[in-house]
Amino acid sequence: KAGVTQTPRYLIKTRGQQVTLSCSPISGHRSVSWYQQTPGQGLQFLFEYFSETQRNKGNFPGRFSGRQFSNSRSEMNVSTLELGDSALYLCASSPGQFQETQYFGPGTRLLVL
Amino acid sequence: AQTVTQSQPEMSVQEAETVTLSCTYDTSENNYYLFWYKQPPSRQMILVIRQEAYKQQNATENRFSVNFQKAAKSFSLKISDSQLGDTAMYFCAFMTYRMGDMRFGAGTRLTVKP
Repeated sequence: KAGVTQTPRYLIKTRGQQVTLSCSPISGHRSVSWYQQTPGQGLQFLFEYFSETQRNKGNFPGRFSGRQFSNSRSEMNVSTLELGDSALYLCASSPGQFQETQYFGPGTRLLVL
Repeated sequence: AQTVTQSQPEMSVQEAETVTLSCTYDTSENNYYLFWYKQPPSRQMILVIRQEAYKQQNATENRFSVNFQKAAKSFSLKISDSQLGDTAMYFCAFMTYRMGDMRFGAGTRLTVKP
């Protein structure tokens, strides 16, 4: 099976802009989780979706949002970008409802100037 | 709140030797998973090993094994016969059965020296 894919892999934006990142889970996986990785804060949970419903949300401002489509693909959006949003954004998928092992994509590296 | 602590920011080991990475966690939950992930310079997170809390037997995957002490809330990773390709950041992670939000430690940077 193909692994988790994320697009784009690299992105440069300026402050105030918005950005949309995409994640395609492993075929058959229905749960998608998003994480932010920065040198200062480490890996932090953003949100998790299962069957198009957000089940969990981390402690991030409302500028961070996401959604999941009927084919399990997921997008996350960050509006009004700030310099501190520069990070590696990782997406992970797992098979189903009971929080099994998560498999990660290669990440999207976002730089905000 | 669940927290994960990795007290060793950096470690090094000679090729072919054995190294143990430490991890402790704090939770009031009884049912949970513990993981070790590896992140090489490519930044791709790779699952190394997984342990379900209800299982008393320690998980093993080839050269990788864990020492899971549930009462002490400790979950260390032992890498035997270290290889140059084991050089990476290693993250310990915790996740409850009912929540999909994995909590990560700060990571241990492991360098395998030839």
